[in-house]
Amino acid sequence: GENVEQHPSTLSVQEGDSAVIKCTYSDSASNYFPWYKQELGKRPQLIIDIRSNVGEKKDQRIAVTLNKTAKHFSLHITETQPEDSAVYFCAASEGGTGGGADGLTFGKGTHLIIQP
Amino acid sequence: DAGVIQSPRHEVTEMGQEVTLRCKPISGHNSLFWYRQTMMRGLELLIYFNNNVPIDDSGMPEDRFSAKMPNASFSTLKIQPSEPRDSAVYFCASRPMGTGELFFGEGSRLTVL
Repeated sequence: GENVEQHPSTLSVQEGDSAVIKCTYSDSASNYFPWYKQELGKRPQLIIDIRSNVGEKKDQRIAVTLNKTAKHFSLHITETQPEDSAVYFCAASEGGTGGGADGLTFGKGTHLIIQP
Repeated sequence: DAGVIQSPRHEVTEMGQEVTLRCKPISGHNSLFWYRQTMMRGLELLIYFNNNVPIDDSGMPEDRFSAKMPNASFSTLKIQPSEPRDSAVYFCASRPMGTGELFFGEGSRLTVL
């Protein structure tokens, strides 16, 4: 099955600086890579996703890059703000659009701390 | 829509007791997932259903765990007998056909003493 490794486990950055979280995956058949944000005591929520036919995707201060050859993908957050403090999870699946009967395999999460 | 609804939100029970967690997915979503979250193991996929049919239960830890989806609007995860190592937050999530996004419920926090 799929195995997703995520690092670092904890990341502390100054407010306004950038944060980068990296993930690797093992199954070359995976082609859908979402990122979820989980605030303390809350549910995980999708913030951005990328599919294997795209190398990079941006949404305001958030961007995700994908290198299928190396089997790794990264989340980039620019101009970090206090509300960015949370646990971020990467995930991978074979679902393409995710519409197939498949489940997401999650990384173990990165606790992002934004220092004022 | 109210989102994915899980109950109970919190459950404290003693070792050996039966635990039943419930989930109501978002109407119209055709896939349903059960995840378990712990500090040590992160978010683990236990089982998922597509159109009420269990597709992959390879993540279910052992025979003490079972899950059912009798119809499109209801699913249960049962642990019998429960053990202290089952203590975790159990999330249910649903997904509409043709998209990748999982919509998570608030979770059920289980503590087994």
